[in-house]
Amino acid sequence: KAGVTQTPRYLIKTRGQQVTLSCSPISGHRSVSWYQQTPGQGLQFLFEYFSETQRNKGNFPGRFSGRQFSNSRSEMNVSTLELGDSALYLCASSPGTDYGYTFGSGTRLTVV
Amino acid sequence: AQSVTQLGSHVSVSEGALVLLRCNYSSSVPPYLFWYVQYPNQGLQLLLKYTTGATLVKGINGFEAEFKKSETSFHLTKPSAHMSDAAEYFCAVRSGSGSARQLTFGSGTQLTVLP
Repeated sequence: KAGVTQTPRYLIKTRGQQVTLSCSPISGHRSVSWYQQTPGQGLQFLFEYFSETQRNKGNFPGRFSGRQFSNSRSEMNVSTLELGDSALYLCASSPGTDYGYTFGSGTRLTVV
Repeated sequence: AQSVTQLGSHVSVSEGALVLLRCNYSSSVPPYLFWYVQYPNQGLQLLLKYTTGATLVKGINGFEAEFKKSETSFHLTKPSAHMSDAAEYFCAVRSGSGSARQLTFGSGTQLTVLP
C-alpha cells in the first residue's frame, strides 16, 4: 500500500511569492491534516480536511489556506511568503476519526 | 485545551541500555496518545498509540509505553537501545471526539545512542 506522498520535497521561494504544496493520502483515507515544523515552534497544526470540508483550523494567519479534492488529495497554499514561513510542512492522512495518523516525508520550504 | 510536556530535550544512553523518554499530557477529555519518531530529513513514523483498552501498549522496533491516567503520563521505553534508535521522538495527544481532531505535540526528545 502506497504511503502518504508529498510533492515537491524541496522548494526555494522568494519573499512575497506564493507557494502550493501537494499531498496525496493513503488510498481510502478521507482525512488529511497539515502541520508546520520549525526549530523554534516545533510541530504546529495548520488545518484538517475531511471529505472536502475543512473541519478544524490552527492558529495561523489567513495567508495559509488549503483545500481537499474529491479524491482526498489535498493542497495547501501560502501567499505573500515571509522568511518565517521557512519550515518543514508535513501532511498526515487518516481513515477517519479514531485512528492514528500516517505522515508523509514532508516538503522543505525555504524562503529567501 | 490539551498540552504535552516532554521532559528532557536531549537524552543519551549507551547501546544496550534502557531507553526511557518521558511524556506528560493534559487533556479535558479521555486522551488518545501517540509516540512518533523522526529521522533526519524524514517525516514522522508512528511508533505506537493508545486509544482505549490495555494501558500497556507495544509498538514497533521493541518500544512500548504505559498509559497512567493517575499520573497523566505516557512514557516510552525500550529495554535495550540500538544505534539505529538514534532519532527525535515526539509524544502527541488528540482529543477523543468533537471537531478538534488535531494532534498536539510535545517539543520532542533527541535520543543519542553511545557505542
